[in-house]
Amino acid sequence: GAVVSQHPSRVICKSGTSVKIECRSLDFQATTMFWYRQFPKQSLMLMATSNEGSKATYEQGVEKDKFLINHASLTLSTLTVTSAHPEDSSFYICSARDRVAASNEQFFGPGTRLTVL
Amino acid sequence: AQSVTQPDIHITVSEGASLELRCNYSYGATPYLFWYVQSPGQGLQLLLKYFSGDTLVQGIKGFEAEFKRSQSSFNLRKPSVHWSDAAEYFCAVGAAGNKLTFGGGTRVLVKP
Repeated sequence: GAVVSQHPSRVICKSGTSVKIECRSLDFQATTMFWYRQFPKQSLMLMATSNEGSKATYEQGVEKDKFLINHASLTLSTLTVTSAHPEDSSFYICSARDRVAASNEQFFGPGTRLTVL
Repeated sequence: AQSVTQPDIHITVSEGASLELRCNYSYGATPYLFWYVQSPGQGLQLLLKYFSGDTLVQGIKGFEAEFKRSQSSFNLRKPSVHWSDAAEYFCAVGAAGNKLTFGGGTRVLVKP
């Protein structure tokens, strides 16, 4: 149980285009999903917290107009990187928290490798 | 604010030897503590977690961790390392209903 998927697993795009990444909880409902960014050989940095039916909460220094987050249902959150530039190239990982779980354990997706040319 | 420190960036261990990864945290209340493992290009897999109760926690793949409140530590151990344990390991701390804060990670290399 507690499987989180991400799509796509890899994406290469041209500078200036927008890219959408999906995060789905497959066998549980997630009122809260999290989006992380990971640079090579570095740790995960939380970008934003996505709450179903409300606006996302962004961490300091993360541009909300650059990284659009939508959490339209209890099983789906999307991250759209708008007008992507090479510096946006990174590994993006989402996680989801089970709405009925007492703890704040998060289940992680496999990640999406974004390369902006 | 909560924070996590993993003092060792790299650790090299021989196959069959024991492994200990250090994790120190800073948090004002009783934390939720986690250890995750990440293989190259992959997401994170939960090894074990501590919420309350017995301070020695058993996890998957033969890993265990011990919560020591007096030292603000949650070190991960494995008695005998296998080549497949080569990966990046992350310690994380979180509060109930709140976000996780990750340490910088420790890369484990296993020598044959």
